[in-house]
Amino acid sequence: GAVVSQHPSRVICKSGTSVKIECRSLDFQATTMFWYRQFPKQSLMLMATSNEGSKATYEQGVEKDKFLINHASLTLSTLTVTSAHPEDSSFYICSERKTSGGPDTQYFGPGTRLTVL
Amino acid sequence: AQSVTQLGSHVSVSEGALVLLRCNYSSSVPPYLFWYVQYPNQGLQLLLKYTTGATLVKGINGFEAEFKKSETSFHLTKPSAHMSDAAEYFCAVSEGGGNKLTFGTGTQLKVEL
Repeated sequence: GAVVSQHPSRVICKSGTSVKIECRSLDFQATTMFWYRQFPKQSLMLMATSNEGSKATYEQGVEKDKFLINHASLTLSTLTVTSAHPEDSSFYICSERKTSGGPDTQYFGPGTRLTVL
Repeated sequence: AQSVTQLGSHVSVSEGALVLLRCNYSSSVPPYLFWYVQYPNQGLQLLLKYTTGATLVKGINGFEAEFKKSETSFHLTKPSAHMSDAAEYFCAVSEGGGNKLTFGTGTQLKVEL
């Protein structure tokens, strides 16, 4: 099956700093990528959908200026948490969809655990 | 709007026993339904899915699920649990095949000797 990687797997940062998380598709090209966050004992919540070469579409309640998404190529998407605060601490998971696929071809990365002190 | 409810955040079964993980959904249009499994420090892996057609779907590792429209349910079962089945399981719904997946809160399955 497809492989999606995320880097870093864990990051600890100070309040006020910015953190960049990378999501890479290792064996297919993905025009659509999704970013989720997961709080302890809660659902994965979709934050935004990004398409290669265009602006991301954010879900209601997600601050686009705080969570910057760049989908510069068919194999790389990045999520930057700007001016991070402790309430941003969470598990961030990306998924990628094959260009010809429906929802059943989303492949998920292993997630990034962000802790903001 | 679509939503998913997974009853029981933790389920414990004995090795060899039946596994039953419950999932109920709400959707304003015919849903696509999914079960994913997540092992520690790994990504979500698709176990099985229902889109259209046969309501009993079989997935990997001996799991299966049945779409019951009248009950708005999509429960996951496996006849005989194995130690390697211990993981977190997520049910998800997508309305009519759209991109957006809505997940349940997950069920942690523990398998005991």
